[in-house]
Amino acid sequence: GDSVTQMEGPVTLSEEAFLTINCTYTATGYPSLFWYVQYPGEGLQLLLKATKADDKGSNKGFEATYRKETTSFHLEKGSVQVSDSAVYFCALLNSGGSYIPTFGRGTSLIVHP
Amino acid sequence: DAGVTQSPTHLIKTRGQQVTLRCSPKSGHDTVSWYQQALGQGPQFIFQYYEEEERQRGNFPDRFSGHQFPNYSSELNVNALLLGDSALYLCASSGGLRGQLNTEAFFGQGTRLTVV
Repeated sequence: GDSVTQMEGPVTLSEEAFLTINCTYTATGYPSLFWYVQYPGEGLQLLLKATKADDKGSNKGFEATYRKETTSFHLEKGSVQVSDSAVYFCALLNSGGSYIPTFGRGTSLIVHP
Repeated sequence: DAGVTQSPTHLIKTRGQQVTLRCSPKSGHDTVSWYQQALGQGPQFIFQYYEEEERQRGNFPDRFSGHQFPNYSSELNVNALLLGDSALYLCASSGGLRGQLNTEAFFGQGTRLTVV
């Protein structure tokens, strides 16, 4: 079945540092890929998405590129802020499957001033 | 656009009781999914409703049941509550006009259920 693997957290960075959170997936067909963010005590918010190979999703300074050859969708940001502290979830939605997102376990990001 | 709204935001129940959680989907969405998120974990899929029927179900016992109404809103019911049912319950809506199903999910803020 479909699966998503994220790097273990927490990831701890200083403000203005470069961020990478790794995400790889296993799926049949051509899934759409997503990053969701969850701030403390809140639900999940869609951060960005990519629907086909080589697409780059971007939002609020975050970027991720859909790499079919490496089955990856790594999240990056050039300069993190304290307000970016949250849990980040990678997910896929398989158009040939059940229309139910498959989520990774989440990666906690802690940004210090 | 109000987005996905869930009620209540917090709830405390006693073991063995029953609980009903409610969800109104984002305008234009016709599919509602429910997830259980334990502390420190990713969301676990419970079930999905479309056209007032349960379309998909995850690995949850029959104590978890649901309903979707003609206006696409949904309820999650849990009977015979266990301590282990304590979690954040998330509702997500997706889909849209003409039965388009392969769209991203929009989540509500969740209902924090504590079973004591």
